[in-house]
Amino acid sequence: KQEVTQIPAALSVPEGENLVLNCSFTDSAIYNLQWFRQDPGKGLTSLLLIQSSQREQTSGRLNASLDKSSGRSTLYIAASQPGDSATYLCAVIAGGTSYGKLTFGQGTILTVHP
Amino acid sequence: NAGVTQTPKFQVLKTGQSMTLQCAQDMNHNSMYWYRQDPGMGLRLIYYSASEGTTDKGEVPNGYNVSRLNKREFSLRLESAAPSQTSVYFCASLLQGWNYGYTFGSGTRLTVV
Repeated sequence: KQEVTQIPAALSVPEGENLVLNCSFTDSAIYNLQWFRQDPGKGLTSLLLIQSSQREQTSGRLNASLDKSSGRSTLYIAASQPGDSATYLCAVIAGGTSYGKLTFGQGTILTVHP
Repeated sequence: NAGVTQTPKFQVLKTGQSMTLQCAQDMNHNSMYWYRQDPGMGLRLIYYSASEGTTDKGEVPNGYNVSRLNKREFSLRLESAAPSQTSVYFCASLLQGWNYGYTFGSGTRLTVV
């Protein structure tokens, strides 16, 4: 059974810092990996999708990397801003007979203070 | 705007009552999913529909039923609500081929008293 772990569970940083959120998964037979953002009381917003054949994806100040063989992904946020405060969720998308099922980590709660 | 639409956004039920959560997507996606999100438990898959006409159980299907009415719509039914079903429910869709990732609805916050 796939298990996804995110470290740290919570992170509080001053504005302007560069930071790294970590995600690890137990079964490397994944199809894709997706990072989401969730604001309190809201739905999930997709940030980045990395296909299993890719090593990284970038969008603005966000960069996500994937090392499938070691079961790890990192989300790098450059020059953090208070508006980045949210919960960040990592999810792996299964391949094969599990047919696209997502397995989520517990999330990292990020607080960026002015 | 294109996306996944869920109704209702909020609902309070009494134990034993039934209700249906509605989900519709207008992106021509093949696969649709129902998740629940609980504090400390993360998001867990309830049921999914890989394609129109098919449905399968996920991780926590007990107490729920689903219907894939057509390609656009995927409903989740609680036949006899229990307090343990108090949760936030999310519907999601996925374009087959998986190159575009998941799109989630904004959620239904359900309280069973």
